[in-house]
Amino acid sequence: NAGVMQNPRHLVRRRGQEARLRCSPMKGHSHVYWYRQLPEEGLKFMVYLQKENIIDESGMPKERFSAEFPKEGPSILRIQQVVRGDSAAYFCASSPVGAINSPLHFGNGTRLTVT
Amino acid sequence: EDQVTQSPEALRLQEGESSSLNCSYTVSGLRGLFWYRQDPGKGPEFLFTLYSAGEEKEKERLKATLTKKESFLHITAPKPEDSATYLCAVNTGTASKLTFGTGTRLQVTL
Repeated sequence: NAGVMQNPRHLVRRRGQEARLRCSPMKGHSHVYWYRQLPEEGLKFMVYLQKENIIDESGMPKERFSAEFPKEGPSILRIQQVVRGDSAAYFCASSPVGAINSPLHFGNGTRLTVT
Repeated sequence: EDQVTQSPEALRLQEGESSSLNCSYTVSGLRGLFWYRQDPGKGPEFLFTLYSAGEEKEKERLKATLTKKESFLHITAPKPEDSATYLCAVNTGTASKLTFGTGTRLQVTL
C-alpha cells in the first residue's frame, strides 16, 4: 500500500545552490499538489499540477521556484539559488481526481535546511 | 482572502478528559472543510470532510461538526495515542487547493 513518496526526507543546501525535491503520487493518482510549512506557520499552497500541466501556481514565489510533473516519473519541485528563508518542510499531496470531495493524501515531506 | 483560525494553539489533557478544538473560518464560499492529524516528522493524515452547516462525522473517539462560521473537533475520552497536531483547512475554489490553519497541538497524558 504505497502512499505518496517524497525524497529526500532531509536536504541540506548552502546558499546559492539548487534544491530538487521529488514526489511520486499514490498509485492511480494523477493530480499533485505542493505545500510549504514554515516553522510556526500553517501549510501554504504552492502549486497544483496534472501530468504535463501546471493547473494553478498562484502560491509559487515568482522567482527561483519551479515545478513539473512529466508524463513519466515523479513530480519535481525545483528551487534555484536557495536562501535561508527557503528552509522549511515541503509536502507533496496527491488525489485521484480534481474534485473537491477527494481528500488529499500527503507524503511525509522533505525538510530543506539552507546553511 | 480566506482565513482559518484554530484555537487553542496547544491543549494538554489527561487520559479520559474530553474536550473540543475550534476552527473558525472566514471565506467567500465554503466548498468543504477538512480536518487532518499531523504527527511530528510526518505529513498530514486525512480525518474528515464536512460540506454544510449541521453536518457531523465520527471516527473512533473523534467527532467533527460544522456551523456557518466554525467547526469543532470533539475528542471523547482521549488516549495518549491521540497526541498530535490537528489541522483544519478549507476549500473555496479550485479542486483541492486548501487554506490551512496553524493547528492545535494536543498532548494527552496518563
